[in-house]
Amino acid sequence: GIQVEQSPPDLILQEGANSTLRCNFSDSVNNLQWFHQNPWGQLINLFYIPSGTKQNGRLSATTVATERYSLLYISSSQTTDSGVYFCAVINTGTASKLTFGTGTRLQVTL
Amino acid sequence: ETGVTQSPTHLIKTRGQQVTLRCSSQSGHNTVSWYQQALGQGPQFIFQYYREEENGRGNFPPRFSGLQFPNYSSELNVNALELDDSALYLCASSWRAGDYEQYFGPGTRLTVT
Repeated sequence: GIQVEQSPPDLILQEGANSTLRCNFSDSVNNLQWFHQNPWGQLINLFYIPSGTKQNGRLSATTVATERYSLLYISSSQTTDSGVYFCAVINTGTASKLTFGTGTRLQVTL
Repeated sequence: ETGVTQSPTHLIKTRGQQVTLRCSSQSGHNTVSWYQQALGQGPQFIFQYYREEENGRGNFPPRFSGLQFPNYSSELNVNALELDDSALYLCASSWRAGDYEQYFGPGTRLTVT
């Protein structure tokens, strides 16, 4: 099956810093989503981005499907950004099954 | 617009028992998927239901079963609980089956003792 790897696995930032999270996948995809999982376990949708670039406030994401990677940019980080960030993909031809990456655990300190 | 809801929030069961978890999909969505998330790992796909039929299954044994009702709500049933079934169970809904964006509920945390 498709492999989804995220880097870095852990990241500690001071409030106000910028960061880039990366997601590499091993096969073609029809769907790519970025999620933020808060401390209570809720997965919050950040982006649905099978290709191209999107921005939402301090967050933006870019997916280059032909090169099999996606990037999530967080600017001017805040303590509320802390948590685990997952990318998840639907492999072409696998009918709706989201395969999640390994996650990046982000801690933003004052 | 109502989001995805799940019940109960937490549950404690004994090994060998059976459990039923429930999920209500987001308004207008007819597809529900279930995922299991063990501590420290990413969610793993269990199965998906589309228009009351199973539409794909992950690598889980038959004691994990499900249902979808005409109002598109869904149940996940687990028989003969094992200690390794302790996890966060997440339900996601989407507008249709396929490559559409999936939206997750808050999850049910199951502890098996």
